[in-house]
Amino acid sequence: GAVVSQHPSWVICKSGTSVKIECRSLDFQATTMFWYRQFPKQSLMLMATSNEGSKATYEQGVEKDKFLINHASLTLSTLTVTSAHPEDSSFYICSATQGIEQYFGPGTRLTVT
Amino acid sequence: AQTVTQSQPEMSVQEAETVTLSCTYDTSENNYYLFWYKQPPSRQMILVIRQEAYKQQNATENRFSVNFQKAAKSFSLKISDSQLGDTAMYFCAFMKHVRDNYGQNFVFGPGTRLSVLP
Repeated sequence: GAVVSQHPSWVICKSGTSVKIECRSLDFQATTMFWYRQFPKQSLMLMATSNEGSKATYEQGVEKDKFLINHASLTLSTLTVTSAHPEDSSFYICSATQGIEQYFGPGTRLTVT
Repeated sequence: AQTVTQSQPEMSVQEAETVTLSCTYDTSENNYYLFWYKQPPSRQMILVIRQEAYKQQNATENRFSVNFQKAAKSFSLKISDSQLGDTAMYFCAFMKHVRDNYGQNFVFGPGTRLSVLP
């Protein structure tokens, strides 16, 4: 089946710095990728829809300037958390669509100290 | 807008027994897809089963089967012969059908934490 990878799997950064998370579809092209955030013991919350070659579409309440999304190619989307703060600590999951199927990456645990 | 409800935050079942997880949804769409995803402690989302709304026959995948009641907007998951490896969070998800279906995101339920006891 289709595989989606994320890098890094976990990252610790200092408050005020930026961190980039990569999401790659390894064996298929993905016109659309999604970024989710998941707090402990909660469901996945959609943050934004990443479209190749165009601007991302952000969900209500998600700061565009804080969570920068770039979909540079049909196999790569990146999420950059800018000026990170402890409240940005969370588990971030990306997914990529192929037809009706949605394939999820393994997630990235971000800890901001 | 679509909403998905899972009324059981936590459930437990004895190994080898059968358990049913509930899911209801609200939509005005006629064509859509429903999914059950499993999220084990590794937190990797794993597709368990998928149901197309236009199909009356309930989907089955080995020990996993669904009871899809379109009129009642209900989509329950039955796990037979439960195994320790079934311990996980289970999320019900809805996706509306769009031609070519590009760029359609899921609406997830809040999840049910299932523990399989030895």
